[in-house]
Amino acid sequence: GAGVSQSPRYKVAKRGQDVALRCDPISGHVSLFWYQQALGQGPEFLTYFQNEAQLDKSGLPSDRFFAERPEGSVSTLKIQRTQQEDSAVYLCASTPTRTAVRGAGNTIYFGEGSWLTVV
Amino acid sequence: DAKTTQPNSMESNEEEPVHLPCNHSTISGTDYIHWYRQLPSQGPEYVIHGLTSNVNNRMASLAIAEDRKSSTLILHRATLRDAAVYYCILRDVRRGSTLGRLYFGRGTQLTVWP
Repeated sequence: GAGVSQSPRYKVAKRGQDVALRCDPISGHVSLFWYQQALGQGPEFLTYFQNEAQLDKSGLPSDRFFAERPEGSVSTLKIQRTQQEDSAVYLCASTPTRTAVRGAGNTIYFGEGSWLTVV
Repeated sequence: DAKTTQPNSMESNEEEPVHLPCNHSTISGTDYIHWYRQLPSQGPEYVIHGLTSNVNNRMASLAIAEDRKSSTLILHRATLRDAAVYYCILRDVRRGSTLGRLYFGRGTQLTVWP
């Protein structure tokens, strides 16, 4: 597709429910990132994939959060036993290059986000 | 990673220039200065980046102080569509895994009046 696509766009979950958020990065993009954005705050890094390898998951807030990218393209962020504090926009982003490329723009392309509300 | 400081909000009238400041006094020699903006209900989008020299592109200009401890994003003629949150971000490209790990902060909310 032309850009990063995320689904669902909006999700309301009951507390304790499991949710899965999907990201389709731009075709051919090697690197994929997930960010969490609480209301009124800037996005915060969750995790990073290079192809199918999850190279950095230091931003995941708890073991209830799990991300995968099994074939190096589509990625899924799963949140188990959702809590109210998980309510946020979850942003997926991709970039065409391996992160080791020095300098340049290495522009990161973001999707529109999945808005999760836990009630 | 080095932090940036931006005003919480700024206002401008349509078709006037806007100068959005950013302080980054602890910037390192390998930090690039990047600007992203986030329109309402959208994901962030890239605006411009630079290292030492001033930069221009079709969206904006970036003026970088000689000591690199501050920079200014310049929108030459603000439009209503420029109303967004603008984030000034430092990216250290030495470490591969952090290249995509952007530290956004809270940014500057720009309001443009017709």
